[in-house]
Amino acid sequence: EAGVAQSPRYKIIEKRQSVAFWCNPISGHATLYWYQQILGQGPKLLIQFQNNGVVDDSQLPKDRFSAERLKGVDSTLKIQPAKLEDSAVYLCASSPIRGRENGYTFGSGTRLTVV
Amino acid sequence: RKEVEQDPGPFNVPEGATVAFNCTYSNSASQSFFWYRQDCRKEPKLLMSVYSSGNEDGRFTAQLNRASQYISLLIRDSKLSDSATYLCVVNSGGGYNKLIFGAGTRLAVHP
Repeated sequence: EAGVAQSPRYKIIEKRQSVAFWCNPISGHATLYWYQQILGQGPKLLIQFQNNGVVDDSQLPKDRFSAERLKGVDSTLKIQPAKLEDSAVYLCASSPIRGRENGYTFGSGTRLTVV
Repeated sequence: RKEVEQDPGPFNVPEGATVAFNCTYSNSASQSFFWYRQDCRKEPKLLMSVYSSGNEDGRFTAQLNRASQYISLLIRDSKLSDSATYLCVVNSGGGYNKLIFGAGTRLAVHP
C-alpha cells in the first residue's frame, strides 16, 4: 500500500511571500488532515476534510491560510502571505472513516522556513 | 489547560533500563488513545493503541485509566534504537476521527 505523499520536502521563502503544499492521501481514505508542527511541539491540527468537505478548521488562521480538497482526493494547503512564525513542518495525514481504533498515517511532511 | 499534557523530558537512560512516560488528558469524552513515536526530522508513526485493559507489545506496555484520565507507556530493557520522542495522542471524539497530540517526551538511551 502506497503511503501518504507530500511535496515539496523543503521550502525556504521570504516573509510576505506565498507558498503551497500538496498532499496525496492513501487510496480510499476518506479523511485527510493537515497538521502544523513547530519545533519542540506536538503536531497541531489545522484542518480536517471528510471527502471534499471541511469538518474542522477551527485552528486554521484563515486570514492567511487556505486549504482545499478537490474531488475528495488530493489536497493543497496555501499560506499567503507567510510570516516568520509559520516556520514549521506541515504534515498531511489520512485515515479511513472507520479508523478510530487504528490512528492514522502521516506523510513525511514539508519543512517550511520563512526568513 | 492543554488537552493532552506530557512530561517533556528529556529522559536519559542507559541501555537495559526501564522507563515510564505519563500523560493526562482533559476531555472525558475522548474515545481512543495512542502512543506515537517520532524520530528526529521524521513524521510521527503509530507505536501502539492503548486500551482500558492494558496492552503489551514486546517490551512496550501501555495503560489507560479513564477515571483519572491518565495514560502511561512503559519501556523495558531499553535499546539504543528506542531513542526518539514519544507522543501521547487522544481521539477527541465528537463524531469525527480527530487526534490531539501532546508535546511529546524525548527519550535518549545511551550505551
